[in-house]
Amino acid sequence: EAQVTQNPRYLITVTGKKLTVTCSQNMNHEYMSWYRQDPGLGLRQIYYSMNVEVTDKGDVPEGYKVSRKEKRNFPLILESPSPNQTSLYFCASTYLPGLAYLPSTDTQYFGPGTRLTVL
Amino acid sequence: AQKITQTQPGMFVQEKEAVTLDCTYDTSDQSYGLFWYKQPSSGEMIFLIYQGSYDEQNATEGRYSLNFQKARKSANLVISASQLGDSAMYFCAMREGLWWGYNFNKFYFGSGTKLNVKP
Repeated sequence: EAQVTQNPRYLITVTGKKLTVTCSQNMNHEYMSWYRQDPGLGLRQIYYSMNVEVTDKGDVPEGYKVSRKEKRNFPLILESPSPNQTSLYFCASTYLPGLAYLPSTDTQYFGPGTRLTVL
Repeated sequence: AQKITQTQPGMFVQEKEAVTLDCTYDTSDQSYGLFWYKQPSSGEMIFLIYQGSYDEQNATEGRYSLNFQKARKSANLVISASQLGDSAMYFCAMREGLWWGYNFNKFYFGSGTKLNVKP
Protein backbone atom coordinates (compact mmCIF):
# COMPACT_ATOMS: atom_id res chain seq x y z
CA GLU A 1 0.00 0.00 0.00
CA ALA A 2 1.32 3.42 -1.01
CA GLN A 3 1.70 5.55 2.07
CA VAL A 4 3.57 8.16 4.04
CA THR A 5 4.20 7.25 7.65
CA GLN A 6 5.12 9.51 10.53
CA ASN A 7 6.26 8.71 14.03
CA PRO A 8 5.36 9.46 16.68
CA ARG A 9 1.74 10.41 16.14
CA TYR A 10 1.55 12.23 19.46
CA LEU A 11 4.35 13.73 21.50
CA ILE A 12 4.44 15.82 24.65
CA THR A 13 7.83 17.15 25.57
CA VAL A 14 9.50 19.96 27.49
CA THR A 15 11.30 23.06 26.33
CA GLY A 16 14.83 22.43 25.14
CA LYS A 17 14.70 18.65 24.86
CA LYS A 18 15.83 17.66 21.37
CA LEU A 19 13.39 15.55 19.39
CA THR A 20 13.05 13.98 15.97
CA VAL A 21 9.88 13.24 14.05
CA THR A 22 10.42 10.59 11.41
CA CYS A 23 8.80 10.50 7.99
CA SER A 24 9.02 7.68 5.49
CA GLN A 25 7.39 7.07 2.09
CA ASN A 26 7.27 3.92 -0.01
CA MET A 27 6.38 5.49 -3.37
CA ASN A 28 9.91 6.37 -4.53
CA HIS A 29 8.97 10.05 -4.56
CA GLU A 30 11.73 12.55 -5.17
CA TYR A 31 10.03 15.43 -3.39
CA MET A 32 9.30 15.48 0.32
CA SER A 33 8.13 18.30 2.53
CA TRP A 34 7.25 19.22 6.11
CA TYR A 35 4.35 21.45 7.16
CA ARG A 36 2.96 22.75 10.37
CA GLN A 37 -0.73 23.43 10.81
CA ASP A 38 -1.97 26.05 13.24
CA PRO A 39 -5.55 27.25 13.74
CA GLY A 40 -6.46 30.11 11.43
CA LEU A 41 -3.17 29.84 9.53
CA GLY A 42 -3.66 26.71 7.47
CA LEU A 43 -0.57 24.71 6.56
CA ARG A 44 2.78 26.42 6.31
CA GLN A 45 5.79 24.82 4.70
CA ILE A 46 8.82 24.32 6.95
CA TYR A 47 11.36 22.57 4.73
CA TYR A 48 11.30 20.60 1.54
CA SER A 49 13.64 18.30 -0.33
CA MET A 50 13.97 17.73 -4.06
CA ASN A 51 16.02 14.56 -3.65
CA VAL A 52 18.71 12.93 -1.53
CA GLU A 53 21.01 15.51 0.02
CA VAL A 54 18.99 18.39 -1.52
CA THR A 55 16.95 20.38 0.99
CA ASP A 56 15.73 23.95 1.19
CA LYS A 57 13.78 26.25 3.47
CA GLY A 58 10.07 26.81 3.24
CA ASP A 59 8.25 29.73 4.77
CA VAL A 60 8.77 28.95 8.46
CA PRO A 61 12.13 27.13 8.88
CA GLU A 62 13.31 28.79 12.10
CA GLY A 63 13.91 26.30 14.89
CA TYR A 64 13.84 23.24 12.63
CA LYS A 65 16.37 21.08 10.83
CA VAL A 66 15.95 18.34 8.27
CA SER A 67 18.10 15.80 6.51
CA ARG A 68 17.63 13.61 3.44
CA LYS A 69 20.20 10.85 3.47
CA GLU A 70 17.89 8.28 1.88
CA LYS A 71 15.20 8.85 -0.70
CA ARG A 72 12.43 7.35 1.43
CA ASN A 73 13.17 9.17 4.71
CA PHE A 74 12.93 12.84 5.65
CA PRO A 75 13.16 13.39 9.42
CA LEU A 76 12.28 16.69 11.08
CA ILE A 77 14.58 17.69 13.93
CA LEU A 78 13.82 20.18 16.68
CA GLU A 79 17.14 20.82 18.38
CA SER A 80 15.70 22.94 21.20
CA PRO A 81 11.90 22.89 21.08
CA SER A 82 9.98 25.86 22.40
CA PRO A 83 6.27 26.23 23.25
CA ASN A 84 5.63 28.17 20.02
CA GLN A 85 6.45 24.99 18.14
CA THR A 86 3.40 23.30 19.60
CA SER A 87 1.50 22.37 16.46
CA LEU A 88 0.22 19.64 14.18
CA TYR A 89 2.96 18.54 11.79
CA PHE A 90 2.51 16.88 8.42
CA CYS A 91 5.02 15.21 6.17
CA ALA A 92 4.17 14.93 2.47
CA SER A 93 5.72 13.55 -0.69
CA THR A 94 5.16 13.70 -4.42
CA TYR A 95 6.79 13.01 -7.75
CA LEU A 96 8.65 15.68 -9.63
CA PRO A 97 7.07 16.28 -13.03
CA GLY A 98 8.35 14.52 -16.10
CA LEU A 99 7.14 17.20 -18.53
CA ALA A 100 8.97 20.47 -17.98
CA TYR A 101 6.50 22.68 -19.80
CA LEU A 102 3.39 21.75 -17.83
CA PRO A 103 2.45 22.31 -14.21
CA SER A 104 2.77 19.17 -12.19
CA THR A 105 -0.51 17.34 -11.86
CA ASP A 106 0.79 15.23 -9.03
CA THR A 107 -0.77 15.92 -5.70
CA GLN A 108 1.11 15.52 -2.50
CA TYR A 109 0.52 12.44 -0.38
CA PHE A 110 0.31 13.35 3.27
CA GLY A 111 1.27 11.42 6.34
CA PRO A 112 -1.24 11.05 9.19
CA GLY A 113 0.18 13.97 11.17
CA THR A 114 2.12 14.34 14.42
CA ARG A 115 0.58 16.36 17.20
CA LEU A 116 3.41 17.95 19.17
CA THR A 117 3.02 19.75 22.48
CA VAL A 118 6.00 21.57 23.98
CA LEU A 119 5.55 22.52 27.62
CA ALA B 1 0.56 39.39 0.28
CA GLN B 2 -1.24 36.14 0.88
CA LYS B 3 -0.71 33.63 -1.87
CA ILE B 4 -3.97 31.82 -1.12
CA THR B 5 -7.01 33.48 0.43
CA GLN B 6 -10.03 31.65 1.74
CA THR B 7 -12.47 34.22 3.07
CA GLN B 8 -15.02 31.87 4.62
CA PRO B 9 -13.79 30.56 7.97
CA GLY B 10 -16.98 28.55 8.43
CA MET B 11 -20.02 27.59 6.41
CA PHE B 12 -23.25 25.67 6.87
CA VAL B 13 -25.09 23.81 4.15
CA GLN B 14 -28.19 21.68 4.20
CA GLU B 15 -27.76 18.04 3.31
CA LYS B 16 -28.32 17.36 -0.42
CA GLU B 17 -27.76 20.99 -1.38
CA ALA B 18 -24.79 22.32 -3.33
CA VAL B 19 -22.17 24.54 -1.70
CA THR B 20 -19.35 26.69 -3.05
CA LEU B 21 -16.13 27.26 -1.11
CA ASP B 22 -14.21 30.31 -2.20
CA CYS B 23 -10.51 30.49 -3.00
CA THR B 24 -8.51 33.27 -4.58
CA TYR B 25 -4.82 33.09 -5.35
CA ASP B 26 -1.99 35.43 -6.08
CA THR B 27 0.79 34.61 -8.52
CA SER B 28 2.65 36.25 -11.35
CA ASP B 29 3.56 32.91 -12.89
CA GLN B 30 1.78 31.73 -16.00
CA SER B 31 2.20 28.11 -15.04
CA TYR B 32 0.81 26.88 -11.73
CA GLY B 33 -1.37 24.20 -10.21
CA LEU B 34 -4.28 24.53 -7.81
CA PHE B 35 -5.38 21.85 -5.37
CA TRP B 36 -8.19 21.30 -2.92
CA TYR B 37 -7.82 19.09 0.14
CA LYS B 38 -10.30 17.88 2.71
CA GLN B 39 -9.37 17.43 6.35
CA PRO B 40 -11.98 15.58 8.43
CA SER B 41 -11.98 15.74 12.21
CA SER B 42 -9.67 12.70 12.27
CA GLY B 43 -6.95 14.96 10.90
CA GLU B 44 -5.73 13.33 7.70
CA MET B 45 -5.36 15.36 4.51
CA ILE B 46 -7.35 14.01 1.59
CA PHE B 47 -6.73 15.20 -1.96
CA LEU B 48 -9.95 16.17 -3.77
CA ILE B 49 -9.26 17.87 -7.06
CA TYR B 50 -6.58 19.55 -9.19
CA GLN B 51 -6.66 22.35 -11.77
CA GLY B 52 -3.71 23.34 -13.93
CA SER B 53 -3.33 26.90 -15.13
CA TYR B 54 -3.33 25.77 -18.76
CA ASP B 55 -6.41 23.59 -18.40
CA GLU B 56 -9.21 25.11 -20.43
CA GLN B 57 -11.97 23.11 -18.81
CA ASN B 58 -12.94 23.15 -15.18
CA ALA B 59 -11.80 20.07 -13.31
CA THR B 60 -14.41 17.64 -12.01
CA GLU B 61 -14.10 14.62 -9.73
CA GLY B 62 -17.40 13.00 -8.86
CA ARG B 63 -19.38 15.44 -6.73
CA TYR B 64 -16.51 17.91 -6.69
CA SER B 65 -15.89 20.50 -9.35
CA LEU B 66 -13.55 23.42 -9.50
CA ASN B 67 -14.87 26.71 -10.84
CA PHE B 68 -11.68 28.13 -12.33
CA GLN B 69 -11.76 31.79 -13.33
CA LYS B 70 -8.24 32.60 -14.39
CA ALA B 71 -8.69 36.32 -15.01
CA ARG B 72 -10.16 36.75 -11.54
CA LYS B 73 -7.59 34.38 -10.01
CA SER B 74 -10.24 32.36 -8.33
CA ALA B 75 -10.54 28.59 -7.92
CA ASN B 76 -13.74 27.89 -6.05
CA LEU B 77 -14.66 24.36 -5.01
CA VAL B 78 -18.22 23.31 -5.69
CA ILE B 79 -19.63 20.31 -3.83
CA SER B 80 -22.90 19.09 -5.28
CA ALA B 81 -25.48 17.18 -3.24
CA SER B 82 -23.77 17.64 0.11
CA GLN B 83 -23.56 14.66 2.44
CA LEU B 84 -23.08 14.53 6.19
CA GLY B 85 -19.65 13.04 5.57
CA ASP B 86 -18.62 16.23 3.79
CA SER B 87 -18.43 18.02 7.12
CA ALA B 88 -14.74 18.87 7.39
CA MET B 89 -12.11 21.55 6.95
CA TYR B 90 -11.28 22.32 3.31
CA PHE B 91 -7.99 23.78 2.14
CA CYS B 92 -7.11 25.40 -1.15
CA ALA B 93 -3.46 25.17 -2.18
CA MET B 94 -1.18 26.28 -5.01
CA ARG B 95 2.11 25.13 -6.47
CA GLU B 96 3.73 27.80 -8.59
CA GLY B 97 5.82 27.63 -11.69
CA LEU B 98 7.57 25.06 -13.78
CA TRP B 99 9.97 22.61 -12.26
CA TRP B 100 13.07 24.67 -12.95
CA GLY B 101 11.65 27.79 -11.33
CA TYR B 102 13.21 28.79 -8.07
CA ASN B 103 9.87 28.85 -6.35
CA PHE B 104 8.48 25.72 -7.94
CA ASN B 105 9.03 23.61 -4.93
CA LYS B 106 6.87 25.59 -2.58
CA PHE B 107 3.28 24.81 -1.86
CA TYR B 108 1.03 27.50 -0.43
CA PHE B 109 -2.12 26.77 1.54
CA GLY B 110 -5.05 28.92 2.53
CA SER B 111 -6.32 29.16 6.08
CA GLY B 112 -9.17 26.80 5.37
CA THR B 113 -12.97 26.74 5.45
CA LYS B 114 -14.82 24.62 7.97
CA LEU B 115 -17.90 23.17 6.34
CA ASN B 116 -20.78 21.84 8.41
CA VAL B 117 -23.48 19.84 6.66
CA LYS B 118 -26.82 19.91 8.47
CA PRO B 119 -29.24 16.98 8.29
